[in-house]
Amino acid sequence: EVQLVESGGGLVQPGGSLRLSCVASGFSFSTHWMSWVRQAPGKGLEWVANINQPGSGKFSVDSVKGRFSISRDNMKNSVYLQMNSLRAEDTAVYYCARIYCSGGSCYYDYWGQGTLVTVSS
Amino acid sequence: DIQMTQSPSSLSASVGDRVTITCRASQDIRNHLAWFQQKPGKAPRSLIYDASTLQSGVPSKFSGDGSGTDFTLTIISLQPEDFATYYCQQFHSYPYTFGQGTKLEIK
Repeated sequence: EVQLVESGGGLVQPGGSLRLSCVASGFSFSTHWMSWVRQAPGKGLEWVANINQPGSGKFSVDSVKGRFSISRDNMKNSVYLQMNSLRAEDTAVYYCARIYCSGGSCYYDYWGQGTLVTVSS
Repeated sequence: DIQMTQSPSSLSASVGDRVTITCRASQDIRNHLAWFQQKPGKAPRSLIYDASTLQSGVPSKFSGDGSGTDFTLTIISLQPEDFATYYCQQFHSYPYTFGQGTKLEIK
């Protein structure tokens, strides 16, 4: 059974840092792109970042460039989101999602339960 | 960036009804579109990818159609568990973008 379990969320002051983790199980982690998606309270979904299988290819939304960094450790079946210089508008539930690619098409198939990040003084 | 616009933003329907949600992309995304269902306090659930292919385990009451810029999600024979918020998302180019969501409520 595919499982994605996020952790690391919490309350942090503006300007602070937080590192989110997502531990995967039930599949060959090193063969999949991975992604972070967030959802501000009462709002819609927003893509945050993707990382390729070896970790050499990273893509992120402009609003987090230079502040957030996605990484992975295939030996630990984990993907991370290092969040620095946090702002109030980063307050959201952060979801880890698996990307499945086949025949030139890539899409999300599994999601974690999410971890809440609250940026407030 | 590719803008994704869903309509309607909210929809009231009765158990047993058939509903259709529309998603429009601001430029051609071929069939690189997915649909998700989300219930309050829960993670999104992947329903459809490549505009019309059902994810494994998703019942055939859900169907997707479209290509280019115009897409639809149709749900037939609505049941209480289908009342949720539905999102489309384009996977054609970065940044991946979602529609604003369509909240499907019980009439």
